[in-house]
Amino acid sequence: EAQVTQNPRYLITVTGKKLTVTCSQNMNHEYMSWYRQDPGLGLRQIYYSMNVEVTDKGDVPEGYKVSRKEKRNFPLILESPSPNQTSLYFCASTPDLSGGLTDTQYFGPGTRLTVL
Amino acid sequence: GNSVTQMEGPVTLSEEAFLTINCTYTATGYPSLFWYVQYPGEGLQLLLKATKADDKGSNKGFEATYRKETTSFHLEKGSVQVSDSAVYFCALTPSGNTGKLIFGQGTTLQVKP
Repeated sequence: EAQVTQNPRYLITVTGKKLTVTCSQNMNHEYMSWYRQDPGLGLRQIYYSMNVEVTDKGDVPEGYKVSRKEKRNFPLILESPSPNQTSLYFCASTPDLSGGLTDTQYFGPGTRLTVL
Repeated sequence: GNSVTQMEGPVTLSEEAFLTINCTYTATGYPSLFWYVQYPGEGLQLLLKATKADDKGSNKGFEATYRKETTSFHLEKGSVQVSDSAVYFCALTPSGNTGKLIFGQGTTLQVKP
């Protein structure tokens, strides 16, 4: 089954304790992206990756890191989480950008993160 | 810069009512425009899209027309069902081969029997 998976689905942590949220897709997609969803703000793009070893900042990259060492995985790293990073996080993938970002994006189920 | 503005929610309608959710955008050039839907507890799904001016996207009875002159992409459905209750997001990707996707704040739709 074609899908995007995220782990963990729920996480409660404390300020300053490094964490990683994993994202994996089994569709051989080139493009992957991370978003955070906050009430009243919709979804905001954190980082995206056009292909292996190619990443770029979205609108809210501060406090986050990503890596794309292999096509299927795109982990989101919070080196020193803070309470303002409490949010619902979504990973997404799409085949490629040959025609621009117009292909359907496949979204993961979301990770609800709470930073105390 | 690029931005998307949606009408405030929540929107509450009775079954079979007509739905309009307004969306306007700010962008240079010719962005591509999208509507995504998020059902409770789920991720987002692409509902429809339009990639050039005057294009009409449609899916599952929903429609939206890309209006360059009014920078709008309003979502409409002639007769809503209870199963349409969800959060709807308007979004754009700037023109050019960019990976950026910019969302509006979302509009919650509740349809009552």
